[in-house]
Amino acid sequence: GQQVMQIPQYQHVQEGEDFTTYCNSSTTLSNIQWYKQRPGGHPVFLIQLVKSGEVKKQKRLTFQFGEAKKNSSLHITATQTTDVGTYFCAGSVNSGYALNFGKGTSLLVTP
Amino acid sequence: NAGVTQTPKFQVLKTGQSMTLQCAQDMNHEYMSWYRQDPGMGLRLIHYSVGAGITDQGEVPNGYNVSRSTTEDFPLRLLSAAPSQTSVYFCASTPGGRSAAFFGQGTRLTVV
Repeated sequence: GQQVMQIPQYQHVQEGEDFTTYCNSSTTLSNIQWYKQRPGGHPVFLIQLVKSGEVKKQKRLTFQFGEAKKNSSLHITATQTTDVGTYFCAGSVNSGYALNFGKGTSLLVTP
Repeated sequence: NAGVTQTPKFQVLKTGQSMTLQCAQDMNHEYMSWYRQDPGMGLRLIHYSVGAGITDQGEVPNGYNVSRSTTEDFPLRLLSAAPSQTSVYFCASTPGGRSAAFFGQGTRLTVV
């Protein structure tokens, strides 16, 4: 079945440093979504990428979808303590109904 | 707006007991799903439904049953709880394929 791998598992940065998490799929994806989960909370949708090579930005967050639609990345510029949480990528293959989540990257930001 | 509502928030069961985790959404979304979240394992899909009367298995369906009699509700049943089912369970809904999933607050289940 489809596997979505995400690295690193953990990242600890000083406030102001940049952060990147990577997502790789064993199969070509129809789309990829990114979610953020704060400690003790539930996953919250951040963004969806659909097109090959697509790049989207949300303030300090930059999302990329690879040309082959098998990999994606999330980059945060100048992290803040409010960025703390676990970031998940989730890919779907066909209809887009069933999402396969990566194991997530837990980000810790210290002041 | 309520969005996706899960009950209960916390539950402790004894091995062998049965229970139903409730999930309701008020957004008229066709697609609903159940995930379990374990430390270091991410979110794993248990069962999903693409509409009333239609359900299908996800990655880890064993030990769980679902039904979808209405668009709004998608309960998850544990017929005979086992310690391996100790986890945080999330219900999610989405209006369709390639759409954002909205998650409930989660149910933290402990089986002793």
